[in-house]
Amino acid sequence: GQQLNQSPQSMFIQEGEDVSMNCTSSSIFNTWLWYKQDPGEGPVLLIALYKAGELTSNGRLTAQFGITRKDSFLNISASIPSDVGIYFCAGQLGGSNYKLTFGKGTLLTVNP
Amino acid sequence: NAGVTQTPKFRVLKTGQSMTLLCAQDMNHEYMYWYRQDPGMGLRLIHYSVGEGTTAKGEVPDGYNVSRLKKQNFLLGLESAAPSQTSVYFCASSKRETQYFGPGTRLLVL
Repeated sequence: GQQLNQSPQSMFIQEGEDVSMNCTSSSIFNTWLWYKQDPGEGPVLLIALYKAGELTSNGRLTAQFGITRKDSFLNISASIPSDVGIYFCAGQLGGSNYKLTFGKGTLLTVNP
Repeated sequence: NAGVTQTPKFRVLKTGQSMTLLCAQDMNHEYMYWYRQDPGMGLRLIHYSVGEGTTAKGEVPDGYNVSRLKKQNFLLGLESAAPSQTSVYFCASSKRETQYFGPGTRLLVL
């Protein structure tokens, strides 16, 4: 099946620092999504990207759909303690079933 | 508007027992999905449905069955639970690409 390589696997940063994470694939995706999962909860959608080259922001979060359509990036600016959690990228190849392929996640820890 | 709900929240089974996990959504979404989440593995698709009365296999379907008799409900069944099925199970629904997740069911098989 399709695979997404998400990096880094984990990050430990100080409050106020900026964070970057990315996902790459050998396949071309039509849609990229970024989710955040808090401990004991289900993933929550942060940003959805639908076009190659698209740059979208949601508050302190900014994500980009790579020009090659094989990668995506998520940046978090001025991190705060509540940013702690697991961040997942997900790609959708296209087709009528809208199945997503997920990366394995980036665990973010923010030190106050 | 509750979104996606899952019952039960937590369950302990003995090897060989059966159970059904219920997912319900109130967003009138056509598409519904069942995932399992294991440490270091991310989310893996078990089964999915593209509409009422339809089901299809995902990436890891073995040992599970599903049914979608009503548009708002998607059931995941384990006929004979095995310790390898200890996991956290998430249901999701979507209108198109964007999937919305439930809070999860934590299953422990002894």
